[in-house]
Amino acid sequence: DAGVIQSPRHEVTEMGQEVTLRCKPISGHNSLFWYRQTMMRGLELLIYFNNNVPIDDSGMPEDRFSAKMPNASFSTLKIQPSEPRDSAVYFCASTVGQGAGYEQYFGPGTRLTVT
Amino acid sequence: ILNVEQSPQSLHVQEGDSTNFTCSFPSSNFYALHWYRWETAKSPEALFVMTLNGDEKKKGRISATLNTKEGYSYLYIKGSQPEDSATYLCAPNSGGSNYKLTFGKGTLLTVNP
Repeated sequence: DAGVIQSPRHEVTEMGQEVTLRCKPISGHNSLFWYRQTMMRGLELLIYFNNNVPIDDSGMPEDRFSAKMPNASFSTLKIQPSEPRDSAVYFCASTVGQGAGYEQYFGPGTRLTVT
Repeated sequence: ILNVEQSPQSLHVQEGDSTNFTCSFPSSNFYALHWYRWETAKSPEALFVMTLNGDEKKKGRISATLNTKEGYSYLYIKGSQPEDSATYLCAPNSGGSNYKLTFGKGTLLTVNP
């Protein structure tokens, strides 16, 4: 299996622009998680889906952030408009089964820089 | 939001040394604890998922123990090697219908050859 796939790997954009990050989970996994890694806050969960349905989006920082999972093999995280403080590494992870008893498999991350 | 503490924040050891570090979490409403290994410029990789009080898991030279009653887990590395250099993250979950993991800030281990 190719593992969790994220694109792009690096994104540099100007403040105010829309940014879309993409994730393809491991085939057969039914839970998908979006995380953000910053020096200040560490690795924090933004939102997770189970069977394509958003379950908990309490970590989404504000209305500028939105996430979708139109099918079992694809998810997007969108920031509109982007701001410099959104600069971070964004990870997508997936897991099989339900509940937290299963290990999560992380993608390589997207490093976002907003200037 | 769970309060997760990891100590020490960083650790330097010599090749061959054995080492351990701690993860503390609220003991109430515990369901599972995850340990992840995160090498620089890579993504986190799962080491262990532990759910039972007193559980002990081992993978090669790395092992972990879990005490859910007092809210802590230890990670041990026996005979550290330079390739063990990484940040080690723990993440508890409070269970129920919530799959959310709350990650600690990690322990950065550097093994000097």
